Amino acid sequence: DAKTTQPNSMESNEEEPVHLPCNHSTISGTDYIHWYRQLPSQGPEYVIHGLTSNVNNRMASLAIAEDRKSSTLILHRATLRDAAVYYCILSPEYGNKLVFGAGTILRVKS
Amino acid sequence: EAGVVQSPRYKIIEKKQPVAFWCNPISGHNTLYWYLQNLGQGPELLIRYENEEAVDDSQLPKDRFSAERLKGVDSTLKIQPAELGDSAVYLCASSLGFRTANEQFFGPGTRLTVL
Repeated sequence: DAKTTQPNSMESNEEEPVHLPCNHSTISGTDYIHWYRQLPSQGPEYVIHGLTSNVNNRMASLAIAEDRKSSTLILHRATLRDAAVYYCILSPEYGNKLVFGAGTILRVKS
Repeated sequence: EAGVVQSPRYKIIEKKQPVAFWCNPISGHNTLYWYLQNLGQGPELLIRYENEEAVDDSQLPKDRFSAERLKGVDSTLKIQPAELGDSAVYLCASSLGFRTANEQFFGPGTRLTVL
């Protein structure tokens, strides 16, 4: 399984944008990039995923580098409810196997 | 629509006792997963089912752990006998299929404490 590298923790102010980085230099051509997050005392929840092009949904945006060796999850306006552990995960198209790392702990200050 | 349901939410047992966790996936989801999450770490896959068939159980410690999904809907994960190191959160998830683009929906988990 291809590996991802994320910062252990990040801090943001409420109402400001947050850029969560992820490095995945050994990504293969068929690996999708997934982001999940886990709020305290809850199971993980899906945020967004992409293959090559940047993606937007109601929760966030995913910016993928042209060489696909890194990506950035963008929360456009952080709220206190966005405080969570964010996981960047690579997975091939079939098998739906998510291998979670330690993730990035995001703290949001009011 | 109801999400993934797990019970119990919390369980405290003494070592060497058996324990079972139950999961009811989202209706229509034929793929079901059991994960284990230790404190401060990300979830680790234990087993994945496609309908009734366990298609990936390589990480399931088969000497003490067992799982079943008899009718291809709800599932049970059992530990017998439990050890101190089994204290963790056990998460169940489901998805429409085995394509990675299929979002996995997680339940709230069962927090197991083994004394």
